[in-house]
Amino acid sequence: EAGVAQSPRYKIIEKRQSVAFWCNPISGHATLYWYQQILGQGPKLLIQFQNNGVVDDSQLPKDRFSAERLKGVDSTLKIQPAKLEDSAVYLCASSSRPPRSGPRDIQYFGAGTRLSVL
Amino acid sequence: ILNVEQSPQSLHVQEGDSTNFTCSFPSSNFYALHWYRWETAKSPEALFVMTLNGDEKKKGRISATLNTKEGYSYLYIKGSQPEDSATYLCAFRGGGADGLTFGKGTHLIIQP
Repeated sequence: EAGVAQSPRYKIIEKRQSVAFWCNPISGHATLYWYQQILGQGPKLLIQFQNNGVVDDSQLPKDRFSAERLKGVDSTLKIQPAKLEDSAVYLCASSSRPPRSGPRDIQYFGAGTRLSVL
Repeated sequence: ILNVEQSPQSLHVQEGDSTNFTCSFPSSNFYALHWYRWETAKSPEALFVMTLNGDEKKKGRISATLNTKEGYSYLYIKGSQPEDSATYLCAFRGGGADGLTFGKGTHLIIQP
């Protein structure tokens, strides 16, 4: 079974530029998450989708970050305009169960996109 | 804001030695505790999902215990091997939420 695919693996941009990351979850997984991991910190949840609907985006900085999952499969996370503090690894994860499922639901992660903002 | 703490931040262990590290989390509104292993340039890999107080899980040389009443979990590695070098993350899931709250991780280096 193919895992969670993310691209690009690395991206370097200058501040105030725009950037987009792509994620393709495991086939059949309805729930998709984006996490941000800043160096020295643990991953932080940005947004959670169930199919093409948003379940939780309470920690997404909506003035510059946006995400979509139009057909309920792959997803795009965008930053516009980027700031220096957005330098981080952006991780995508998926799980097969619906939100508020049982406690043993596992989230499967991609390898992440490492963003450097100069 | 949920507080998930891991200690130590980093650890150097001689090959063949055993080691352990700690994750502390809120003792209220507990739903599940996850452990992940994250090797450089790879995806975080799920090790354990623990849900019940007193749970003990084992996978090869790695095991974990859970105490939800006092809010801590231990991860043990027996007979460390170079391939165990990685960052070990714990993540707390509270009732009513699906997103995970991660600790900062323990960076483990096994020295041959």
